[in-house]
Amino acid sequence: GENVEQHPSTLSVQEGDSAVIKCTYSDSASNYFPWYKQELGKRPQLIIDIRSNVGEKKDQRIAVTLNKTAKHFSLHITETQPEDSAVYFCAASPTSYGKLTFGQGTILTVHP
Amino acid sequence: GAGVSQSPRYKVTKRGQDVALRCDPISGHVSLYWYRQALGQGPEFLTYFNYEAQQDKSGLPNDRFSAERPEGSISTLTIQRTEQRDSAMYRCASSLTASGGLGKTQYFGPGTRLLVL
Repeated sequence: GENVEQHPSTLSVQEGDSAVIKCTYSDSASNYFPWYKQELGKRPQLIIDIRSNVGEKKDQRIAVTLNKTAKHFSLHITETQPEDSAVYFCAASPTSYGKLTFGQGTILTVHP
Repeated sequence: GAGVSQSPRYKVTKRGQDVALRCDPISGHVSLYWYRQALGQGPEFLTYFNYEAQQDKSGLPNDRFSAERPEGSISTLTIQRTEQRDSAMYRCASSLTASGGLGKTQYFGPGTRLLVL
């Protein structure tokens, strides 16, 4: 089955800096890669996703890149703000249906 | 519109009791997933429904766990003879479709926090 590895487990940055979180996956059949943000005590919320037919996708301060050959994808947050502080999860899903396999999560702390 | 809802939000039970957790997906969503999330970890897949059909139950830990979605809408996850190791957050998610396109986005519910004493 699919295995998703996520690094780093914790990330601390100053407000205004950039943050990068990386994930690798094992199953070449995976073609959908969402990123979820989970604040303390809240449900996971989708922030951005990418499909295997594109290499990069941007949404304001957030971008995701995908390298299918190397089987890794990354989340980039620019101009970080304290409200970006949360746990971020990457996930991968196969072509056939939507079962998500999640990474272990990254605790992002943005210091004012 | 209303998001995914789950009930109860918290459940405390004694070891050996059965529990039933309910998920009400977003109206019109065909696909429904159950996940279990341990503290500090990512959600772990349990089972998946497409309409009323249980398409994949490979993530259910053992035969004490079962799930149903008889009319293709509300789903119930049942844990029989609960054990302390079953304590976790149980989340469901729904998506418009399962197989592709924008409809594949999964929306999560608030979860049911289960504590087995």
